[in-house]
Amino acid sequence: AIRMTQSPSSFSASTGDRVTITCRASQGISSYLAWYQQKPGKAPKLLIYAASTLQSGVPSRFSGSGSGTDFTLTISCLQSEDFATYYCQQYYSYPFTFGQGTRLEIK
Amino acid sequence: EVQLVESGGGLVKPGGSLRLSCAASGFTFSSYSMNWVRQAPGKGLEWVSSISSSSSYIYYADSVKGRFTISRDNAKNSLYLQMNSLRAEDTAVYYCARADSSGWYRPSGSYSSPFDYWGQGTLVTVSS
Repeated sequence: AIRMTQSPSSFSASTGDRVTITCRASQGISSYLAWYQQKPGKAPKLLIYAASTLQSGVPSRFSGSGSGTDFTLTISCLQSEDFATYYCQQYYSYPFTFGQGTRLEIK
Repeated sequence: EVQLVESGGGLVKPGGSLRLSCAASGFTFSSYSMNWVRQAPGKGLEWVSSISSSSSYIYYADSVKGRFTISRDNAKNSLYLQMNSLRAEDTAVYYCARADSSGWYRPSGSYSSPFDYWGQGTLVTVSS
């Protein structure tokens, strides 16, 4: 199975900050990578697919980049509603695998 | 509006069985692959199983292979997960999720894509 490793696992930031989360795949996955946001007690929400394509309705402050094994999710100007846990997921091959999650907290 | 509503969760003893259902509405269910994803309390997301639109392709995580069976009834717009030989480590919220249309087809014909709609989840607790 392809292992997905996110960093950091958690960190604190302030509204207005620019933040970047990294996801690394244990082998090349082309651009078959998605990012999800999950808030406590809620289902995950798809933010980005194909590494850099913004899902409909997602604010443009979210962006994704990368291909092969290294990917990033950037939030350009943190808003209060962005404090949540973020997961990357590869859908290049079965079994699909998720990163362990990055918990973004308010500083 | 796309809706996915899971049901069937509950408390079951180790070794027991449970059948989860996911009722879909607001889209042409028979045109989409579907998935089950679970999340143990306080833990991350784990993909469990996928089924293609016509049930031609079915995949399982190694952790559930041989114990869980995914199925669907396109006439009833429903997705199922039959869970047998349940273990304590199967305790989790189980989500059904739709595979969106942005994915890709392998030479084998199977399809992979991210998950664009999720249900609210149903909690399965395996405990004596």
